[in-house]
Amino acid sequence: EAGVAQSPRYKIIEKRQSVAFWCNPISGHATLYWYQQILGQGPKLLIQFQNNGVVDDSQLPKDRFSAERLKGVDSTLKIQPAKLEDSAVYLCASSPTAGGEQYFGPGTRLTVT
Amino acid sequence: AQSVAQPEDQVNVAEGNPLTVKCTYSVSGNPYLFWYVQYPNRGLQFLLKYITGDNLVKGSYGFEAEFNKSQTSFHLKKPSALVSDSALYFCAVRDDAGNMLTFGGGTRLMVKP
Repeated sequence: EAGVAQSPRYKIIEKRQSVAFWCNPISGHATLYWYQQILGQGPKLLIQFQNNGVVDDSQLPKDRFSAERLKGVDSTLKIQPAKLEDSAVYLCASSPTAGGEQYFGPGTRLTVT
Repeated sequence: AQSVAQPEDQVNVAEGNPLTVKCTYSVSGNPYLFWYVQYPNRGLQFLLKYITGDNLVKGSYGFEAEFNKSQTSFHLKKPSALVSDSALYFCAVRDDAGNMLTFGGGTRLMVKP
């Protein structure tokens, strides 16, 4: 079974630029999550999708972050404009059902200079 | 609000000795508890979970965890550590309403030959 795929693996941008990350969950997994993991900290949930609907985006900084999951499969997370404090690893995870065991992708390491 | 505390930033143990990585939690209602491991430049990998039933949960790679309701703890254990167990370990909790998974700050396990 293929795992959660993410791209790119690494990205370096300057502050105020825009960036987008892509996630392809495990086939058949209805629930998709985006996490932000700042160096030295545990992952923090940004947004949770159930199929193509948003379940929880209470910790998503909506003035600059946006996410979508068209057709209930792949998802993109966008930051516009980026700030220095957005430097982190962005993890995508999926699970068969909400609240089930989550399977994580390798993450995208973002550096904002 | 739910929370997880991992009081030790790092745990050092000699190969062959038993190891314990501590975790305490706070959540409304019944807890769903998880342990994940993270190797360098890789996403989180699921180790084990407690939902209900036996307080001693067995997971991957010989790890186990003991749920203690009165102490609100879910410590990770292994009878005999391997050098290859060296990694970052995260404890996580969610409530039985299926709300978001909250991670602790992580504990780095160093197993020395």
